[in-house]
Order: sequence, then C-alpha cells, then structure tokens
Amino acid sequence: DSGVTQTPKHLITATGQRVTLRCSPRSGDLSVYWYQQSLDQGLQFLIQYYNGEERAKGNILERFSAQQFPDLHSELNLSSLELGDSALYFCASSPPVGESTDTQYFGPGTRLTVL
Amino acid sequence: AQTVTQSQPEMSVQEAETVTLSCTYDTSESNYYLFWYKQPPSRQMILVIRQEAYKQQNATENRFSVNFQKAAKSFSLKISDSQLGDTAMYFCAFMKHYGGSQGNLIFGKGTKLSVKP
Repeated sequence: DSGVTQTPKHLITATGQRVTLRCSPRSGDLSVYWYQQSLDQGLQFLIQYYNGEERAKGNILERFSAQQFPDLHSELNLSSLELGDSALYFCASSPPVGESTDTQYFGPGTRLTVL
Repeated sequence: AQTVTQSQPEMSVQEAETVTLSCTYDTSESNYYLFWYKQPPSRQMILVIRQEAYKQQNATENRFSVNFQKAAKSFSLKISDSQLGDTAMYFCAFMKHYGGSQGNLIFGKGTKLSVKP
C-alpha cells in the first residue's frame, strides 16, 4: 500500500458525459501528479500540482481539468467523454521540496470505461 | 524532449534464473533520475529501483540491480533468482531534476516479463 488513495476504483459512463476522479496523496506529500495509461498511448503525464498550485502540464486535453484543494486532495475532471478516453488514470504523490523528492508513489488507479 | 525506449516488448525467464531488461533514453539534461517501476496484474505501479544520474555507483535493491551507463544513455535492470511474483510489466522511467523540485515521469512502453516455473 503506497498510502495514495484514489476513488472510485472503476467508473463506467457514456460518451458525452462528465466524471470526476479523486485522489488523496500520502500524508505530508505536497505534490500530486495525474497520469493516463491507455493501450494506444502508454503511460502519459497529464498534470502536476504542488501545494494547491498548478506546476506543470503534459498531454492534457482541453476537455480535462484538475485542481488541488487546501487539504491537498486533488480531483481530475473529464468532460465530453469520448470512447478514446477509456483508460486507467493514476494519481501519484511525492514529498515536499527539500525532502526525498525523487520518488513518486502511485495510487491504485481509477479504471474509466466510456461506452 | 526526453524519450525512453524499451526495445523488448516481452521476455520470459525460468524461475531462479537471471534476466536483464533493457532501457535507453535520450536527453540533453545532466541532472536527472532514472527509475524502474513494476506493474503486476493488479495494475498497481510499484517502484523497484531508482538511480541518480550524478552517482556512478549502480543502484541495488535485494535481487534487483541496474547497469547505468550514462555516456551510452543506457539503464538496464537485472533481476536475479527470478520468482513467480516477478511476473509483471516493467516500465523504465526518466525524471528531470530541477534542483530541489522534481518533474514528471516519462515512461517507456514497457517490457512484459513472464517467470515460468
């Protein structure tokens, strides 16, 4: 158990819908990362937050957005869903700057199926 | 941009034998980290081993060790005394170091390892 939690574990929805994925980082970690794992694209970085602020963006679609709240949990919002958005979405967290900052700990993932 | 290449889509090894998974990367950065993550059928991403680019000594973690060749931009993973529980997808990953803060991981496409009894 990495200490990173993600809900829900599975999500099945229809095209055009909107969903929210939730992530709680390990206690004390300030950084949250979102990754998408699909058969076509492999594991791709989407977005990073550090202590509530967006730090970096990767291959995140405009239909997707995220935020990190004061309690440091993060949500990834996916809207106008398409079949190709079906994937495993991972959240990862890492310790604050100044500590052992070189390791990211992954949650169990949310499996999204768009029908 | 950085890229990570794993040229072996699938490998198999007999239980108790040794296997080496290959990884090459491309970067112009001098300060970075390299990782191997394991993804078993449960889909959980588990850190296996990490290497700081500034360290010449190869990292080891129990039965897992790496051969880090910085000039060749090569980072292979050796698994000794393979066990059935090592059956998984293995991902090589690169992370740029920003001098106090970390960046995102860039992953290879993975190598599917099967350990046979």
